[in-house]
Amino acid sequence: GQQLNQSPQSMFIQEGEDVSMNCTSSSIFNTWLWYKQDPGEGPVLLIALYKAGELTSNGRLTAQFGITRKDSFLNISASIPSDVGIYFCAGMNYGGSQGNLIFGKGTKLSVKP
Amino acid sequence: IAGITQAPTSQILAAGRRMTLRCTQDMRHNAMYWYRQDLGLGLRLIHYSNTAGTTGKGEVPDGYSVSRANTDDFPLTLASAVPSQTSVYFCASSDRGGNLYGYTFGSGTRLTVV
Repeated sequence: GQQLNQSPQSMFIQEGEDVSMNCTSSSIFNTWLWYKQDPGEGPVLLIALYKAGELTSNGRLTAQFGITRKDSFLNISASIPSDVGIYFCAGMNYGGSQGNLIFGKGTKLSVKP
Repeated sequence: IAGITQAPTSQILAAGRRMTLRCTQDMRHNAMYWYRQDLGLGLRLIHYSNTAGTTGKGEVPDGYSVSRANTDDFPLTLASAVPSQTSVYFCASSDRGGNLYGYTFGSGTRLTVV
């Protein structure tokens, strides 16, 4: 089945630094999504991307849908302590019997004040 | 507040016991899902339901069953729990008709099987 490779697995950064993480797939997706999971909570949608090449921002977050439709990246600028959590990428294709999300294994972000 | 409610929030269960994890959504979403989250393995789909009355198997369905009698509820049952089912379980829902916004997740149920 389809699998996503998400990297890095974890990051330890200083407050104020920029962060970049990415996901790659061996197959194409129609949609890429980025979620954040705070400790003890479920994942929450951050950004959704629907077109190859699309670049979308949400505050300090910027994500891009790769031209090949097989990859996506998420950047966080000027990190703050509340950015701590696990970030998941997810790919989705419409149609078929499922239309289910395929999740990456997550990037755990730690921010030192 | 619209969203997904999961119960219980945590549970310690003896191996061999039967357990049902509850999930209720009030968003009238068509589709619902159950995932388990394990360290280093991310989120893995257990079962899903595209509409009330239908269910399907995900990536790791063995040892679990689901039912979807109505739009709002999607319980997950462990017929005879085993220690390998120790995990955090997340229920999610989506509006497949406008499936452009991904999934909404509950806060999870932390299950420990001893």
